[in-house]
Formats: sequence, C-alpha cells, structure tokens
Amino acid sequence: QITLKETGPTLVKPTQTLTLTCTFSGFSLRTGGVGVGWIRQPPGKALEWLAVIYWDDDKRYSPSLTRRLTITKDTSKNQVVLTMTNMDPVDTATYYCAHRRYGDYSGWFDPWGQGTLVTVSS
Amino acid sequence: SYVLTQSPSVSVAPGQTARITCGGDNIGSKSVHWYQQKPGQAPVLVVFDDSDRPSGIPERFSGSNSGNTATLTISRVEAGDEADYYCQVWDSSSDYSFGGGTKLTVL
Repeated sequence: QITLKETGPTLVKPTQTLTLTCTFSGFSLRTGGVGVGWIRQPPGKALEWLAVIYWDDDKRYSPSLTRRLTITKDTSKNQVVLTMTNMDPVDTATYYCAHRRYGDYSGWFDPWGQGTLVTVSS
Repeated sequence: SYVLTQSPSVSVAPGQTARITCGGDNIGSKSVHWYQQKPGQAPVLVVFDDSDRPSGIPERFSGSNSGNTATLTISRVEAGDEADYYCQVWDSSSDYSFGGGTKLTVL
C-alpha cells in the first residue's frame, strides 16, 4: 500500500522560503520509472502542478514557477523536499505530494497525500 | 503550457448519467486522466489513460477521448458522486496540466 504525507509550516511570511517534505512508503525512488510530484490548490480554486522528480533524479518544474522551485529527493529516507522561494499571499494553498504512475507517453498521480495548508501572511 | 478547458458545473438527478467534458487542442492524441475531489479531501484518481479504471472505482465511471474533447461519464449517478472533477494530461513539452475543474451537483 502506497502512502504519502506532507509536512511543513502552516504559516510563512511574505518573501520567506517555504520548505515542504513529502514522506512516503510502499514504493522506492530507486525503482525505474517511479516519480513523486507536487501539486497545489488555492482555496476554492483548481489544482496546479508544481514539480516532479523521477527515480533517475530528473526534475521538471512548472514553467510559470521554475525560478522559485527546487525539488530534491532523499532515497534513504523515502522523502522528497520542495522549496519555494519568495513566498507571496497568492501562494496560499493546500500543497499535495503524489506518487506518479506512468503508461506509454502518459503520466498521472495516484495516490495523493492528505495535503497541507500553507498560509502566507505577515 | 497545454490548456485544458472544463465547464464549471454540471447538474444531474440521481440515477441519471453525468457527462463531464475536458477540451484541449487535439486532446485525442494524448492520454487523459480524471480525478474526483470531495470537499476537504485529496483528489482520487477515477480514470486513467482515457478509459481505464483503478481498482476499487465503480464501473459506473468511464471515460472516452477523441478529437478535441475527452469525456468522463458517470452512469446511475448517486448522491455520493457529488464532487469536483479534474482532468489531467502529460506531454513532453508541457509536462503535467490540469483542467479548471467541474463541480458535479446531484439534484
């Protein structure tokens, strides 16, 4: 059974850097094809993909946020860390991590963590 | 990025069929995945690769994809199906894209 859980601060100040950790079980990021992604959802709004990291350490970022995001992995701890710099109130959202599955020329997220709400406010 | 367009809302009576669409340029050439999100909960995958169902998802959920529109069909709608539904695709140039979501209301 695959599970993921996001941890990190619930409140950050504008201009600060957000660091979120995704701790997972039931799979390994050493296994070929495996990936972990981050997706966020502002209150009442749609899902937005942020970043993904793959078993071979390939990393992809949302083009609109690439300059602010860094994704890393610690395979020994079964963790993936997302950092987002220069936080702004518009970044207030629930942040999810999710296990990435794939098929022929496709990829999707299943399952997802429970999410963690991050509020950006002074 | 690759743009996916969903109608904001769909309403259907219990027992009827709900059809939720996801529009995109030549989306029929891509694989589309669908998520259900109930209030206060994380999204749950209900259809992947256009029409495949994960284990545990009822057969009432089905998908199709052709041309510029992908469709999630929910047959014999139940009150418990009321949720937001999101489509998602991956491609090599845009990576992962989500639609704006459709709120399904069961009347």
